[in-house]
Amino acid sequence: KAGVTQTPRYLIKTRGQQVTLSCSPISGHRSVSWYQQTPGQGLQFLFEYFSETQRNKGNFPGRFSGRQFSNSRSEMNVSTLELGDSALYLCASSSQIGTDTQYFGPGTRLTVL
Amino acid sequence: TQLLEQSPQFLSIQEGENLTVYCNSSSVFSSLQWYRQEPGEGPVLLVTVVTGGEVKKLKRLTFQFGDARKDSSLHITAAQPGDTGLYLCAGASGTYKYIFGTGTRLKVLA
Repeated sequence: KAGVTQTPRYLIKTRGQQVTLSCSPISGHRSVSWYQQTPGQGLQFLFEYFSETQRNKGNFPGRFSGRQFSNSRSEMNVSTLELGDSALYLCASSSQIGTDTQYFGPGTRLTVL
Repeated sequence: TQLLEQSPQFLSIQEGENLTVYCNSSSVFSSLQWYRQEPGEGPVLLVTVVTGGEVKKLKRLTFQFGDARKDSSLHITAAQPGDTGLYLCAGASGTYKYIFGTGTRLKVLA
């Protein structure tokens, strides 16, 4: 069974731009969560989607948004990029909503210049 | 605010030594997970503990969940260079899915 895939793996943007990251969960998994990982703040929860609906949201500004499609694939968008948005963005999938076992993708490394 | 503090933050040891990593919180978690993350990759789940006092063994790794479900430890026996990585604990939170610990970066020298 294929694991979680994230595209692109690396991305360089400039301040003020926007970016869209993509995540394909493990086949059959319906829950997708997004996390931001930085050296200073560690791994922080952004939001979780299940059946195309956002079910949980972390403490991030509205510039961070996401969506999930009917095939469970998810996208995350960050608008008006700031230098502090430079991070590894991780996607995790699980079979059910809630605190089920989650499997992480390799992440997208975003650098904002 | 739920926080998970891990100690130590950094650990550099020689191959064959034993080590323990701690994960502490003032909050109670319904379950706790341990992950290992290598550079350029996402975290990989090692174990999930759900019962207070539970001990799980995975080859040379021993995981323990505190009786009160507020803390956990990871003990590695006879560490090997392949154990090198960032170790993360994560507590299950109903609101924020998982609260991740601050991380312990382990380097095992051959």
